[in-house]
Amino acid sequence: EDQVTQSPEALRLQEGESSSLNCSYTVSGLRGLFWYRQDPGKGPEFLFTLYSVGEEKEKERLKATLTKKESFLHITAPKPEDSATYLCAVQAGDSNYQLIWGAGTKLIIKP
Amino acid sequence: GAGVSQTPSNKVTEKGKYVELRCDPISGHTALYWYRQSLGQGPEFLIYFQGTGAADDSGLPNDRFFAVRPEGSVSTLKIQRTERGDSAVYLCASSHYGTRPDTQYFGPGTRLTVL
Repeated sequence: EDQVTQSPEALRLQEGESSSLNCSYTVSGLRGLFWYRQDPGKGPEFLFTLYSVGEEKEKERLKATLTKKESFLHITAPKPEDSATYLCAVQAGDSNYQLIWGAGTKLIIKP
Repeated sequence: GAGVSQTPSNKVTEKGKYVELRCDPISGHTALYWYRQSLGQGPEFLIYFQGTGAADDSGLPNDRFFAVRPEGSVSTLKIQRTERGDSAVYLCASSHYGTRPDTQYFGPGTRLTVL
């Protein structure tokens, strides 16, 4: 069964303390892996798409990487405004629209 | 450029009532999706439209749920005889259909509370 698991469920960091969020996936035929950010009371906001193993993408303090079984979202020197829930989703198999979602990692950055 | 918009932002209704939730996708996006999200969970797929037709409605939980997109743009999710278990945030997303995995852009959601 296709599955996406995110860890940890929650992560508290001090401002400036770098860390990584994990998204592990078990799917047949990965087509793409998506990272979204979601603030309380809002819809998910698109961050990155990764299409192939080894691919990396960066945006400000965030960097996403992809291996055969997992993706990492690295956050460097985070600021309080980076606090949010980060969601990972995978598209696989024959579908070019169905997303399999993880439950998210709630990131809290303390000033 | 405007993003995906959803109305209302909040809807409180009583058990057994009928509700309609509206989604206005990004202009030019042919694909439209409805999801439902409960606290602490990722979005749960409900239905996918390509143009005016529902290409995949396998996520609709039962026949109380129905969605339309008559002109290939705005979509309405309709819920009949609402139940307390229908309480959730209903998200709409749209994308530009292509051969690569399409990036789905989400609206702010409608928080539905069934009393």
